[in-house]
Amino acid sequence: AQSVTQLGSHVSVSEGALVLLRCNYSSSVPPYLFWYVQYPNQGLQLLLKYTSAATLVKGINGFEAEFKKSETSFHLTKPSAHMSDAAEYFCAVSVPTNAGKSTFGDGTTLTVKP
Amino acid sequence: DVKVTQSSRYLVKRTGEKVFLECVQDMDHENMFWYRQDPGLGLRLIYFSYDVKMKEKGDIPEGYSVSREKKERFSLILESASTNQTSMYLCASSSGLAAVTDTQYFGPGTRLTVL
Repeated sequence: AQSVTQLGSHVSVSEGALVLLRCNYSSSVPPYLFWYVQYPNQGLQLLLKYTSAATLVKGINGFEAEFKKSETSFHLTKPSAHMSDAAEYFCAVSVPTNAGKSTFGDGTTLTVKP
Repeated sequence: DVKVTQSSRYLVKRTGEKVFLECVQDMDHENMFWYRQDPGLGLRLIYFSYDVKMKEKGDIPEGYSVSREKKERFSLILESASTNQTSMYLCASSSGLAAVTDTQYFGPGTRLTVL
């Protein structure tokens, strides 16, 4: 079975600082990976996804993530945090043998300090 | 834009009541999902439907049932609500065309409190 682990349930950064949210996956078959963001009182929306076309994936709002097979990681980064980035972030994994369904991590809450 | 709507944002029910949570999507998506979201536990899949009248149990189906009579509507039913079902419930849909790489589109959630 596939799974994802998000390291750090809470991350706090200053405005303008680098954002790094960590996600490691476990899968016996090639995985497809997603990052979703949930703003307060809203549902989740897709930030970016890895579909094996390119290991460095660029998403919305200046976020990007790099798929590293050797490290089984898919960490999310943004060079400069903005106050509007404060939200909860979820990493998710999908595999062909479980097509259509994704397994989500526990989430990381990002706080941005002025 | 895909729109997924949920019938209520907040709901308060009594223990033992039958509860219906409704979800509607407007993009002709094949797949629909019900999740519950609890602090520190992320999203856990309750049920999944890949076609009208077709459903599959997720990770935590106990105490829940679902109904999908029309493609655009997916209902979650709590037959006899209990306090441990107090949670945020999220509905999602995906096209079903790309399967493993499909993006899921989420509704705003229903915060259910069972007293």
